[in-house]
Amino acid sequence: GAGVSQTPSNKVTEKGKYVELRCDPISGHTALYWYRQSLGQGPEFLIYFQGTGAADDSGLPNDRFFAVRPEGSVSTLKIQRTERGDSAVYLCASSPTGGDTEAFFGQGTRLTVV
Amino acid sequence: QKEVEQNSGPLSVPEGAIASLNCTYSDRVSQSFFWYRQYSGKSPELIMSIYSNGDKEDGRFTAQLNKASQYVSLLIRDSQPSDSATYLCAAHTRNTGNQFYFGTGTSLTVIP
Repeated sequence: GAGVSQTPSNKVTEKGKYVELRCDPISGHTALYWYRQSLGQGPEFLIYFQGTGAADDSGLPNDRFFAVRPEGSVSTLKIQRTERGDSAVYLCASSPTGGDTEAFFGQGTRLTVV
Repeated sequence: QKEVEQNSGPLSVPEGAIASLNCTYSDRVSQSFFWYRQYSGKSPELIMSIYSNGDKEDGRFTAQLNKASQYVSLLIRDSQPSDSATYLCAAHTRNTGNQFYFGTGTSLTVIP
């Protein structure tokens, strides 16, 4: 596609439930990032994929968070046993090769845990 | 010190003026810097990247990098009301791993 696509745009879930957030990067981009942004803050790094592998998952806050990118394109961020503190906008970005090349963001998924 | 720091503002300038946005960074980041614009309720949009010391111009935008003083700035000439947004400074990590560090953003309002 022309840009990074994220679905759903909004997700409301109950505390304790499981959610999946999807990211479809720009075609041909090998690098994919997940970030989380709370109101009034800058994006906070979660995980980076180079191809199919999670090259850097140092930003995942705990083991309730997991992400996959099985075919090196679409990625899914999975959150188990959601908590109210997980409420934020989850942003996905992709870049052509990773490293310090430019990264382009999708429109984000606003997750609200009630 | 955080990896990337910005004055949160808000910064207000009159239409047609030059808006100056500043960002400082720590030794934990590399020499690759990026400016993103974020409208309220929207995702960050890349405006410019700068990798070398000095100035880089693109239309009304000029990014400036000063490695000796560890700061990077964004100048917006002939500011327009449509430039009103939050501007995020980002830098790539110098360490192992692969991430961009973001500042908290500076809110800019251009007054008609």
